[in-house]
Amino acid sequence: EAQLLESGGGLAQPGGSLRLSCAASGFTLNNYAMSWVRQAPGKGLEWVSGIINSGRSTYYADSVKGRFTISRGNSKNTLYLQMNRLRVEDTAVYYCAKSGGALVAGTSYGFDYWGQGTLVTVSS
Amino acid sequence: QSVLTQSPSASGTPGQRVTISCSGSSSNVGSNYVYWYQQLPGAAPKLLIYGNDQWPSGVPDRFSGSKSGTSASLAISGLRSEDEADYYCAAWDDNMSGLVFGGGTRVTVL
Repeated sequence: EAQLLESGGGLAQPGGSLRLSCAASGFTLNNYAMSWVRQAPGKGLEWVSGIINSGRSTYYADSVKGRFTISRGNSKNTLYLQMNRLRVEDTAVYYCAKSGGALVAGTSYGFDYWGQGTLVTVSS
Repeated sequence: QSVLTQSPSASGTPGQRVTISCSGSSSNVGSNYVYWYQQLPGAAPKLLIYGNDQWPSGVPDRFSGSKSGTSASLAISGLRSEDEADYYCAAWDDNMSGLVFGGGTRVTVL
């Protein structure tokens, strides 16, 4: 069975950087699209970024465009989220999520596996 | 404000049927697939419905999804205490080139 394990969360100052990792097991990362979804304390879900199976196309929410970068290290079966110029409003639990298919946009498949999340706190 | 609109709460007694609505627009629900997720307290979200009305393996058929125009619905029949959770709809938005979620509906079993 597929499993996802996030790491890299923690405390960062406004304007700082963090790099999240999501280690995948039980499936081959480059066969599926992947996304990051976050949830601020006491709030709802917000999609952050997605990447197709080949890694050639990436997508970002307007709130993080130009600051966050999604990537995949297929040889390590790991998904990454590089977060730069962090803001207080980026504080959230960040989940990595596996799509049931190869594409991010226009697919019938939803996110069939989720990690347990890693907490990112941005505060001075 | 979420792009997809859900009622903040819904409730029912055990055995009842509860319906959660999700209202969008032509750029998201109206032209793309809808997904539904269940989030139990303190847990990661779980996929309940994909492709508007399809069940992932292991999800009981007490949960059913439907879509008409720019609105979608999730129905829970035979409500159980373990169904107390937050439920989120989601869909791709062509204008935003991103996935959008509803604000979530908290279901309470009375």
